[in-house]
Amino acid sequence: EADIYQTPRYLVIGTGKKITLECSQTMGHDKMYWYQQDPGMELHLIHYSYGVNSTEKGDLSSESTVSRIRTEHFPLTLESARPSHTSQYLCASSGQGWVAEKLFFGSGTQLSVL
Amino acid sequence: DQQVKQNSPSLSVQEGRISILNCDYTNSMFDYFLWYKKYPAEGPTFLISISSIKDKNEDGRFTVFLNKSAKHLSLHIVPSQPGDSAVYFCAASVSNYNQGGKLIFGQGTELSVKP
Repeated sequence: EADIYQTPRYLVIGTGKKITLECSQTMGHDKMYWYQQDPGMELHLIHYSYGVNSTEKGDLSSESTVSRIRTEHFPLTLESARPSHTSQYLCASSGQGWVAEKLFFGSGTQLSVL
Repeated sequence: DQQVKQNSPSLSVQEGRISILNCDYTNSMFDYFLWYKKYPAEGPTFLISISSIKDKNEDGRFTVFLNKSAKHLSLHIVPSQPGDSAVYFCAASVSNYNQGGKLIFGQGTELSVKP
């Protein structure tokens, strides 16, 4: 149904490393999102984009950054990873317009920072 | 300030019986509500949604009920199956230019359906 891909699925790295989590969708969706989720907790919106060259911070403060140079691609970067960044990162997309609608999620990246 | 709340962290039911998952919200501007199902280390998958102009939406074994005056919605699964065992998230959104598409999630309820 939905074609949205995240890589890698799992990532274990050491403190201080720079990482980029990849997210791509083939549905031509304008809107894309990054959520962060810890076990037993809600999904928190950390970044979103409503189109190329448009990015905004979400409700949860995050040290990560994002870019949207192409419609289909919405990577998330951590310049210097720390153990507090250990979490699941979920990318999502939705169609055009401002009407509320469902999001399509990727499979997520489980990040562990040692 | 949590705008969407799922007060039951877990629920256990017997196969074939009804599962009822509950969700409360505080923001009266929410006009679209959704339920997602999630397995560990996987992304959420969409189950069912409801607009604020309705009070019920049904899709196969899944029915969502919305009570706007009480700011409450519930998901009914009948009959429950072992494959339904997962974490269920309630989410809400507002249809306007700045907010459209941004979903606010509850903490999730872990459903266990026992054979």
